[in-house]
Amino acid sequence: DTAVSQTPKYLVTQMGNDKSIKCEQNLGHDTMYWYKQDSKKFLKIMFSYNNKELIINETVPNRFSPKSPDKAHLNLHINSLELGDSAVYFCASSQGVGTGAFFGQGTRLTVV
Amino acid sequence: AQSVSQHNHHVILSEAASLELGCNYSYGGTVNLFWYVQYPGQHLQLLLKYFSGDPLVKGIKGFEAEFIKSKFSFNLRKPSVQWSDTAEYFCAVMGLGGSQGNLIFGKGTKLSVKP
Repeated sequence: DTAVSQTPKYLVTQMGNDKSIKCEQNLGHDTMYWYKQDSKKFLKIMFSYNNKELIINETVPNRFSPKSPDKAHLNLHINSLELGDSAVYFCASSQGVGTGAFFGQGTRLTVV
Repeated sequence: AQSVSQHNHHVILSEAASLELGCNYSYGGTVNLFWYVQYPGQHLQLLLKYFSGDPLVKGIKGFEAEFIKSKFSFNLRKPSVQWSDTAEYFCAVMGLGGSQGNLIFGKGTKLSVKP
């Protein structure tokens, strides 16, 4: 059983399109995250969501919007995709602070 | 705000060599510290973590790390590396208290082990 699962694994789309990446965790964790890993492997947190409280990273463009229908899901919707959005997006979850995070397999987004 | 710096961008070693990857963090309060590994084309996996107690922590695959509070450091070590250790290694910190519950990563160190 996959603890943190993301779909799709690969996503190729044209500039200007709107796309969503889904994430589900079956660990019963309270906190979920979205990270962006750029071509230089730098991991940057985008959002964290803990018990209905969304913490937004101010540097993330408002074209990115997380949506959490319930505690086990945190989806990422991206409007008006740009070339610079090409990256690997990782979903993760953790139980409280300080427990470390479990990561999904990642979604490689390519904007052409 | 929290920040993490990893000193080495790319480390190249021969098999059986000893490894030490540097990690320093910046945060005024109590932190939990982590090392993650990312094998080529894969997701991040937790190697080890420090919460409290013995500052020398042991993780999987023979890795260990030492927390030195006075130096704000959490260096990763392995006495003898193998070719299969070739991967990207990320140090991460999570500040405790307030809203500092986010896991912040360093820029990573790429380890290449020559057979």
